[in-house]
This record gives sequence, C-alpha cells and structure tokens, in this order.
Amino acid sequence: QLQLQESGPGLVKPSQTLSLTCTVSGGSISSASYHWTWIRQPAGKGLEWIGRFSTGGSTNYNPSLKSRVTISVETSKNQFSLNLRSVTAADTAVYYCARFPWAAYYGMDVWGQGTTVTVSS
Amino acid sequence: QSALTQPASVSGSPGQSITISCTGTSSDVGGQNYVSWYQQHPGKAPKLMIYDVINRPSGVSNRFSGSKSGNTASLTISGLQAEDEADYYCSSYTSSSTLVFGGGTKLTVL
Repeated sequence: QLQLQESGPGLVKPSQTLSLTCTVSGGSISSASYHWTWIRQPAGKGLEWIGRFSTGGSTNYNPSLKSRVTISVETSKNQFSLNLRSVTAADTAVYYCARFPWAAYYGMDVWGQGTTVTVSS
Repeated sequence: QSALTQPASVSGSPGQSITISCTGTSSDVGGQNYVSWYQQHPGKAPKLMIYDVINRPSGVSNRFSGSKSGNTASLTISGLQAEDEADYYCSSYTSSSTLVFGGGTKLTVL
C-alpha cells in the first residue's frame, strides 16, 4: 500500500528557505501516471494547493507562490521535495504531500500525515 | 486564481441529508468535469471522497454523492451520521493546469 511521509525542519527563520521532503514507500515515484503535489494549511484555515511535479518533466505552481517555489523529484531515493524561498510568518502552516493519479482520475488519493512548519525568528 | 466559494458551515440531524455547494467559474468548475471533494477530521489529513464530479473511490460510502450544474458543484451526504461531522473541501482543476480549493465547509451533525 502506497504511503507518503513528509519530513523537514519544523522551524524556519524569516527570509530563509523552507525545504521539505516527501518520501514515497510501497510504490514507485517514477510512474508517469501520477503528479506529485504539495498542499498547505495554515492553522484554522483552508487548504492551499502549492504545486505539482510530474516525472514526465512538467511542473505547475500556484500563481500566488510561483516566484518563490520549486518542486523537484529525486527518483533514486523515491522522494520529491519542496523549496519555498524568502519565507514570512504567512508561510506558517501544516504542509502535506499527496499523489494525483491524473491518468486515472482527477483527485488526490493518497496523502501524507502532514508536517508543521513555523516561520519565526 | 481565486478560491472556490463554499458556505462556511452547514448542519443537519442524524438521518437527514445535506448539500454543500462549491461555486467557481468557467475556467475551473464549469470548464471541465474535474471537481473533487475531501473530508478532513480535526488533526487529520484530508481524505478523497469524490473525484471527477460524481465518482466515489473504493471504500467511500454510497451516502456521499456529487453533482455539477454550470459553475457550481455540489456534495450531498444522505443519512447523516455522527462520524460525518468534519470539514469538507472542494477542489477543481483549472484551465491553467493548476488546482484550486474551496474555502472549506464545517459540517455539524446536531
């Protein structure tokens, strides 16, 4: 059974780069049938789509974050990563990674448990 | 891209049916049949309940159903149960190949 697990620092200083990794187990990240996505949720607020990466080579980002975000994949480690630059307190949130099986249907069917990131000095 | 519009809260008694609306534009909800719905209990990751407007993943109760008319999608939960109390989010693929979520709806089972 496919599982996703987020990891990374729980505390990031303002203006620095937030870096998170999502490790995929129970399946291969290399399949072109999936998009690998990041979503975040500030405490008490709604979900926000950050962006997605396809091992076919394409990426798409939320226009509001596009200038600060990079999502990449390391297939040898079965992981994909999120880098968010120049963070502020507004980037404090629970960050989720998820699988989007676009070749079958349009919905995120497997989610990580989420990791909390706080931006503070 | 603007968030899809959902009511902040809905409520119903056990056994009743409720409907949650999700309004977007012709660039997202109305443009293609790629609306999904997620259930989120406190402190938990979201769970996919409906994909491609009307379809349920394996294991999701048939009490959950989805529909769409124009730029508005809807999630209906019939035979409300206590465990249905949660936050619900809609999401749509957009004409820009991005995803957008609704603001979320808190369902209270009275």
